[in-house]
Amino acid sequence: ETGVTQTPRHLVMGMTNKKSLKCEQHLGHNAMYWYKQSAKKPLELMFVYNFKEQTENNSVPSRFSPECPNSSHLFLHLHTLQPEDSALYLCASSQHGKTNGYTFGSGTRLTVV
Amino acid sequence: AQKITQTQPGMFVQEKEAVTLDCTYDTSDPSYGLFWYKQPSSGEMIFLIYQGSYDQQNATEGRYSLNFQKARKSANLVISASQLGDSAMYFCAMREGNSGNTPLVFGKGTRLSVIA
Repeated sequence: ETGVTQTPRHLVMGMTNKKSLKCEQHLGHNAMYWYKQSAKKPLELMFVYNFKEQTENNSVPSRFSPECPNSSHLFLHLHTLQPEDSALYLCASSQHGKTNGYTFGSGTRLTVV
Repeated sequence: AQKITQTQPGMFVQEKEAVTLDCTYDTSDPSYGLFWYKQPSSGEMIFLIYQGSYDQQNATEGRYSLNFQKARKSANLVISASQLGDSAMYFCAMREGNSGNTPLVFGKGTRLSVIA
């Protein structure tokens, strides 16, 4: 148990489907992040939420839509994805001013067919 | 330009031996933090060790130590007495500034394989 829970762990979806990834943390952290991890590439930051407000959108295509209804929950809504979007999607949380970096979830392994 | 460079895609080490994983970074900010994470095959990213740019001593956490050479902008991870369970991907990361508001930037990682 890492303190950050991601569901589902695995997801296979067609290019015309709509699905959502969920991330939940009860660590009292005030920042949450979505990262994409593709094979042989560094982790790519997608979105940052500070105190429920989106503060960074790293040129992510609009087929990825984040939602942060409260400081404990973060969603990534997916629609009309492409096969190249297949990757491990990692959620993380952190507390501003703390030096212990992020707490990550176990990730959702997404396959787009 | 890459902010974090890990030049070793893969490393092998004999069980019980020590191994050094390289990391160099690039920043003009005098205040920054350096992190190492371990990612086993399960996918979870596990925090290992942290070094602040103003820290006078190298960070240590159990079998992990960070060889911080500020002038050379390197922050190598040293794992002593390697165990089979250390086999994983290892990522070096940096956060610039000291407010904790800037996101972590990661390197491409090094895959460590521990051999019995």
